[in-house]
Amino acid sequence: TQLLEQSPQFLSIQEGENLTVYCNSSSVFSSLQWYRQEPGEGPVLLVTVVTGGEVKKLKRLTFQFGDARKDSSLHITAAQPGDTGLYLCAGARMDSSYKLIFGSGTRLLVRP
Amino acid sequence: EAQVTQNPRYLITVTGKKLTVTCSQNMNHEYMSWYRQDPGLGLRQIYYSMNVEVTDKGDVPEGYKVSRKEKRNFPLILESPSPNQTSLYFCASRGLAGKGSYNEQFFGPGTRLTVL
Repeated sequence: TQLLEQSPQFLSIQEGENLTVYCNSSSVFSSLQWYRQEPGEGPVLLVTVVTGGEVKKLKRLTFQFGDARKDSSLHITAAQPGDTGLYLCAGARMDSSYKLIFGSGTRLLVRP
Repeated sequence: EAQVTQNPRYLITVTGKKLTVTCSQNMNHEYMSWYRQDPGLGLRQIYYSMNVEVTDKGDVPEGYKVSRKEKRNFPLILESPSPNQTSLYFCASRGLAGKGSYNEQFFGPGTRLTVL
């Protein structure tokens, strides 16, 4: 059973457009992380959100943790080709914060 | 440079031939973990270790073994590989924090395994 649903699975947009990726669950998480993965490499952490309603910004990327800590979103403003990659959300279980549950990922292609 | 290394990066083998994928980290992390990544399924945890000689099953442990004799190393063992274990494997490590907080998890570069 996939506890974390990511949408959309694929996204192809033009440079300069905005986009939002969603990560949803019926479970509550103690924290949620977003990773980006490039081909041939392992995922790299972008951000960790811990508090319900928390918003974090990383240059053109805005991350939000839902009030109930069941969902999260990643918004990219004015996407650039360098943003191309696989975006993964990962939630830390309440019963064991050491274990991460990963979403299936959103593959983003930003066309020049 | 702080890193997680895996070897080999690519491996093609045949059904039933035992293999080991090595993982090593130089950050003195207590926690290490193995994942497999398959299209449409994301990353699924195979085994994890909280410290030396402490290992536990993840979500998909069948067909795999691990050991943690030293803090820096966490090898993944496939005693009798089967084609359904063809996948991209990642080792990861992180330091342990107090309950409610979460340290960054560092991933290795991945091992692409094909079992014929």
